Amino acid sequence: DTGVSQDPRHKITKRGQNVTFRCDPISEHNRLYWYRQTLGQGPEFLTYFQNEAQLEKSRLLSDRFSAERPKGSFSTLEIQRTEQGDSAMYLCASSRGGSVYIKNIQYFGAGTRLSVL
Amino acid sequence: AQKITQTQPGMFVQEKEAVTLDCTYDTSDQSYGLFWYKQPSSGEMIFLIYQGSYDEQNATEGRYSLNFQKARKSANLVISASQLGDSAMYFCAMREDSWGQNFVFGPGTRLSVLP
Repeated sequence: DTGVSQDPRHKITKRGQNVTFRCDPISEHNRLYWYRQTLGQGPEFLTYFQNEAQLEKSRLLSDRFSAERPKGSFSTLEIQRTEQGDSAMYLCASSRGGSVYIKNIQYFGAGTRLSVL
Repeated sequence: AQKITQTQPGMFVQEKEAVTLDCTYDTSDQSYGLFWYKQPSSGEMIFLIYQGSYDEQNATEGRYSLNFQKARKSANLVISASQLGDSAMYFCAMREDSWGQNFVFGPGTRLSVLP
């Protein structure tokens, strides 16, 4: 059973550049989530997909951020015109759908650490 | 107001001893789920244990157990027989029925297991 994989693991960029991260969820999972984690904090929710539909977006997801899941499998998170405040770990998670709504365990990838210089 | 509070920024425990990591939460929902995750220095969040608000018994998973006190809104994680590999950040998280699919995480507790 392959877990959630994220690419790249680390990204260093200059302020103002665009960056894109990729997440491959567990194959039978139809739900995919993006979180951001800054140093010393817990993850904060950014957005959620069910299949290819983006169903929830946090207000943390400014207009410089866009996420896609075009075929309901992998997802990309793009940040345009990066700022130093975007430096963080970006975590992706996936889960099954199902009737046991609350017990939907999210399985996380190892994250992409972004450093904006 | 914070939905998840973890009051212990750091904890130390001797190898083979038990340790309790505290978590209190705030919700007005009747239906919610509580989760504990472990994050080693490698960064991956590892699911440990789940407790549903309607579950009558405290959850257990191997060396992990959850001391769930619904009236006090607390869901403390108990790790028995600590091992050196348990050294990591531990996060408590909640999903509320009315809030959709996303988790709300606490600030975490760093556990250090001493040989």
